[in-house]
Amino acid sequence: DIVMTQSPLSLPVTPGEPASISCTSSRSLLHSDGYNYLDWYLQKPGQSPQVLIYLGSSRASGVPDRFSGSGSGTDFTLKISRVEAEDVGVYYCMQGLQTPLTFGGGTKVEIK
Amino acid sequence: EVQLVESGGDLVQPGGSLRLSCEASGFTLTNYAMSWVRQTPGKGLEWISAISKSGGTFYVDSVKGRVTVSRDNSKNTLYLQINSLRADDTAVYYCAGCMVFKNGWCNWLDPWGQGTLVTVSS
Repeated sequence: DIVMTQSPLSLPVTPGEPASISCTSSRSLLHSDGYNYLDWYLQKPGQSPQVLIYLGSSRASGVPDRFSGSGSGTDFTLKISRVEAEDVGVYYCMQGLQTPLTFGGGTKVEIK
Repeated sequence: EVQLVESGGDLVQPGGSLRLSCEASGFTLTNYAMSWVRQTPGKGLEWISAISKSGGTFYVDSVKGRVTVSRDNSKNTLYLQINSLRADDTAVYYCAGCMVFKNGWCNWLDPWGQGTLVTVSS
């Protein structure tokens, strides 16, 4: 199984400031089709996870453009250009390259 | 509106069984592969089972032999039958739609239901 590792575990942020979360996979998620099968999800307090980014860098419908995904192969980053209060929650990366799909352990983003 | 609503979670004794349901609205289940994901405080998010559009099934090793995923097309509902329940099956269980790009049959998960809580305890 592909192991997904996220850092940091916890990320205190200041509204209006940028934030960044890292995700590393135990094997390359870059398929021969040229796409990275890496997704990002946000689980807001009391809610189910919702997809933010898929295929490494494609924003899901309705996701604000302050969220961006980058990286390739085994190293990926989720960036929030200017954090807003509504962005608090736990962020997860997930690989969609092969079954079983596997998730990172999560990064809890909270306001300072 | 596309929506998934889970039900069936309960407090059950070790060794017991449970059937979880996931009713879809706003889309037809048979047009999508579907997944079950569970969330525990200790292990985080774990993708445990899925059913493809053609009816093929997948189970993660931790539940293989104890879990069966199925769907009722007439009710547009997905099911997860869990037998021989153990304490470490205690979790919130989510159903989620599988989105496919070019390869495989489940590249990302969207939408997700609100989850149903299964507690295994004597």
